[in-house]
Amino acid sequence: GENVEQHPSTLSVQEGDSAVIKCTYSDSASNYFPWYKQELGKRPQLIIDIRSNVGEKKDQRIAVTLNKTAKHFSLHITETQPEDSAVYFCAASRGRVGGGATNKLIFGTGTLLAVQP
Amino acid sequence: DSGVTQTPKHLITATGQRVTLRCSPRSGDLSVYWYQQSLDQGLQFLIQYYNGEERAKGNILERFSAQQFPDLHSELNLSSLELGDSALYFCASSPGLAGGPHIQYFGAGTRLSVL
Repeated sequence: GENVEQHPSTLSVQEGDSAVIKCTYSDSASNYFPWYKQELGKRPQLIIDIRSNVGEKKDQRIAVTLNKTAKHFSLHITETQPEDSAVYFCAASRGRVGGGATNKLIFGTGTLLAVQP
Repeated sequence: DSGVTQTPKHLITATGQRVTLRCSPRSGDLSVYWYQQSLDQGLQFLIQYYNGEERAKGNILERFSAQQFPDLHSELNLSSLELGDSALYFCASSPGLAGGPHIQYFGAGTRLSVL
C-alpha cells in the first residue's frame, strides 16, 4: 500500500547549523512531494514542494532533493534559526495532471526539529 | 491565513454522541480534503470531495461520513464517538483545475475531545 517513511523523528541542531530530513515513499506513481511545517497547535503550512520532473528545488535557506529511482526525497535547511523549530512533515501524492481528482496526501510521521540558540 | 475556514475550533462531547465539523474552502477551490491528526497516528487522509462528488477515500471509519454541498463547503460527520476519536481534524482545499497536482492549503483545524 501507500506509505511514506520519515527520519529522523527528532532532530536537535545548533543555531546556524544545517538540518536534513529524509523521506522514502512506496508508491512509484507518486509525482508530487510537498513539505509542511507545523507549529504546536497550528495548521500545517507548505514550505516547499517538488514535482517528479525536477530533481532539486531551492527557496532561500530551504531546498528539497528528489531521487525517483531510489524513491527518496529530502529537505535541507541551512543556517537554521530558532524560529525554524517545529514539526516538519513530508508527503507524497499521486497527483493527476488534468484535474484535481486524486491528490490525496500520504504523510510521513513527522520530524520534531529543535534549533538551540 | 490560508483562506480555508473550519468551525468550530474546539468541540468537547461525550462517547456515543454525534458531531458535525464544517469546512469552507478557499474561494474558487473545488477540492476539499479531510485529514485526522492524532498523537499515535500522525496525519491521516480520510476523504476527498471534488465539486460535490466523492473522489478518494482513505482509512475512514464507517461511523464517519462527509459531503460537499453545492456552495462547495463540506461537512464531516462523526457518529457513535469513541475516546479514540479525539484528535485534530483538518480540512484542506485545492483548485482542482487542469495542470495539477495542486498545493493543498490547510484550515486551522477542529480539536475534538471525546470524554
